[in-house]
Amino acid sequence: DIVMTQTPLSSPVTLGQPASISCRSSQSLVHSDGNTYLSWLQQRPGQPPRLLIYKISDRFSGVPDRFSGSGAGTDFTLKISRVEAEDVGVYYCIQTTQFPHTFGQGTKLEIK
Amino acid sequence: QVQLVESGGGVVQPGRSLRLSCAASGFTFSSNGMHWVRQAPGKGLEWLSVIWYDGSNKYYADSVKGRFTISRDNSKNTLYLQMDSLRAEDTAVYYCARWGNSKKLDYWGQGTLVTVSS
Repeated sequence: DIVMTQTPLSSPVTLGQPASISCRSSQSLVHSDGNTYLSWLQQRPGQPPRLLIYKISDRFSGVPDRFSGSGAGTDFTLKISRVEAEDVGVYYCIQTTQFPHTFGQGTKLEIK
Repeated sequence: QVQLVESGGGVVQPGRSLRLSCAASGFTFSSNGMHWVRQAPGKGLEWLSVIWYDGSNKYYADSVKGRFTISRDNSKNTLYLQMDSLRAEDTAVYYCARWGNSKKLDYWGQGTLVTVSS
């Protein structure tokens, strides 16, 4: 199985400042079709997960453009350009290149 | 708009069975694969299973293989998860999620809580 490792596990951020979360996979996430199926999800307190980014860098419908994804192969990053209060929650990466799909442990974003 | 509503959770004794349902609306259910994902209290997300749009293929996580069965009824726009031989460690909120294009889990239900306890 592919192991997904996120860092940091906790990220205190000042409102209006940028935030960055890293996700590393134990093997390449490049699919045989040439695409890399790495997504980012946000889970606000008491809410179900919500898709933010898919295929490394494609923003899902309705996601603010302050969220961006980047990376390739085994190393990926989610960036928030200017953190807002509503961004508080836990962020997960997930690989859907291979079964079983696997999640990172989650990164808790909190406001300083 | 896409809606997924899970039901069937509750308190069940170890070794017993439970069947979860996920009612879908707002899209052509028979055109999308579907997933189950769970989250133990205070823990992260764990992928469990997927079923193809027509039910032709299914995959499971090792943690539930042989005990859980995913199925669907496209005439009822409903996804199911049959959970047998339940254990305390199966206690979690269970979510269904739609499998969108580009292999993304694009819409999620609100979840249903399963508690396995004597």
